[in-house]
Amino acid sequence: AQKITQTQPGMFVQEKEAVTLDCTYDTSDQSYGLFWYKQPSSGEMIFLIYQGSYDEQNATEGRYSLNFQKARKSANLVISASQLGDSAMYFCAMREDAGGTSYGKLTFGQGTILTVHP
Amino acid sequence: NAGVTQTPKFQVLKTGQSMTLQCAQDMNHEYMSWYRQDPGMGLRLIHYSVGAGITDQGEVPNGYNVSRSTTEDFPLRLLSAAPSQTSVYFCASSYFQGAYNEQFFGPGTRLTVL
Repeated sequence: AQKITQTQPGMFVQEKEAVTLDCTYDTSDQSYGLFWYKQPSSGEMIFLIYQGSYDEQNATEGRYSLNFQKARKSANLVISASQLGDSAMYFCAMREDAGGTSYGKLTFGQGTILTVHP
Repeated sequence: NAGVTQTPKFQVLKTGQSMTLQCAQDMNHEYMSWYRQDPGMGLRLIHYSVGAGITDQGEVPNGYNVSRSTTEDFPLRLLSAAPSQTSVYFCASSYFQGAYNEQFFGPGTRLTVL
């Protein structure tokens, strides 16, 4: 079974509108972390936001927020006020903390291509 | 800080050739890893290391070797390249422990095996 599922291969949004990118995950660990990365056409991986499994509040970083629903095992990325520069591939990833130690191994979803229209 | 550096940026190999992808970081991170990215798929972990002298396999280790003789360097070796190894390779590093251990990625190496 896939550990990280991103069901939206592509998403379109109008500039200045908000968009939600979906991510569901599967783990039996109690301690884990969830990450979102952005990959523009230039290819580099850019870290956006992190949510720990024990964090009680949803993570926010500027225009990015993470809608974390632990019981549903979902960690959706919300981008507010979309900009043309937000057009990119977005990856959700999970780190499972075996034995309470962060080994740093990430499992990635397949990604969602976001296109922002002017 | 240069962060995570990878060389080369691009490489074309013939089937059966060997080569080493270089990765270095100057952040004194204990943890380093190699991922490959194929079209339509996310990144998949090849090998990782939690410190000098310690390496382990990830999800897709076959056909690749690694070693970690220093904290800074983590080269990835292809002993006998195959077309199935055509991919983009990313090296990453992070601190080993901590709840918030963001992985820093290198710029990637695009490898084509003919």
